[in-house]
Amino acid sequence: TQLLEQSPQFLSIQEGENLTVYCNSSSVFSSLQWYRQEPGEGPVLLVTVVTGGEVKKLKRLTFQFGDARKDSSLHITAAQPGDTGLYLCAGATGGGADGLTFGKGTHLIIQP
Amino acid sequence: DVKVTQSSRYLVKRTGEKVFLECVQDMDHENMFWYRQDPGLGLRLIYFSYDVKMKEKGDIPEGYSVSREKKERFSLILESASTNQTSMYLCASNTRGRWDIQYFGAGTRLSVL
Repeated sequence: TQLLEQSPQFLSIQEGENLTVYCNSSSVFSSLQWYRQEPGEGPVLLVTVVTGGEVKKLKRLTFQFGDARKDSSLHITAAQPGDTGLYLCAGATGGGADGLTFGKGTHLIIQP
Repeated sequence: DVKVTQSSRYLVKRTGEKVFLECVQDMDHENMFWYRQDPGLGLRLIYFSYDVKMKEKGDIPEGYSVSREKKERFSLILESASTNQTSMYLCASNTRGRWDIQYFGAGTRLSVL
């Protein structure tokens, strides 16, 4: 069973600060996804990365897939209250639904 | 846009009741999934289905069953609800070509008293 460790579990910062969330594993993944989940809602896909070393940007969010495809990071620049939510990473090992592993998530609160 | 609709946002049931959670997707996706989400435990896969009338056990199938009679609909059944099944239940779907990307419904928060 593959494990994805997310850190930190909880993060509360002031509006305008920068932050990084990490997703680490000892397993190699064929792709990795980041989702955001707002309270009372289901997760919504933000990005998927498939190539080692890949960097994708989504406005103030920067996602990076590790060179060895075992880890990923999410960096938010100038955080805003609208970024508040639960951020989940999920890694795919390439063979059906039982090859998909979710991290436990990072609860992010951006205070105005 | 992909739309995955779960029939109820909130449910309150009593111990021993039979509970049906319904999920419908409108994008002709082959694959459908049921997860439960609990604080500190993350998302755990209960059952999934690759096609009509097909089902596969996930990581925690005990106490649950599923039904997929039509491609767009995937039902989760709690035969005899117990208090430890109080949780947030999430339905998801995706296409056979991109099974790694999940489209989630808004979730059903089930309380079993």
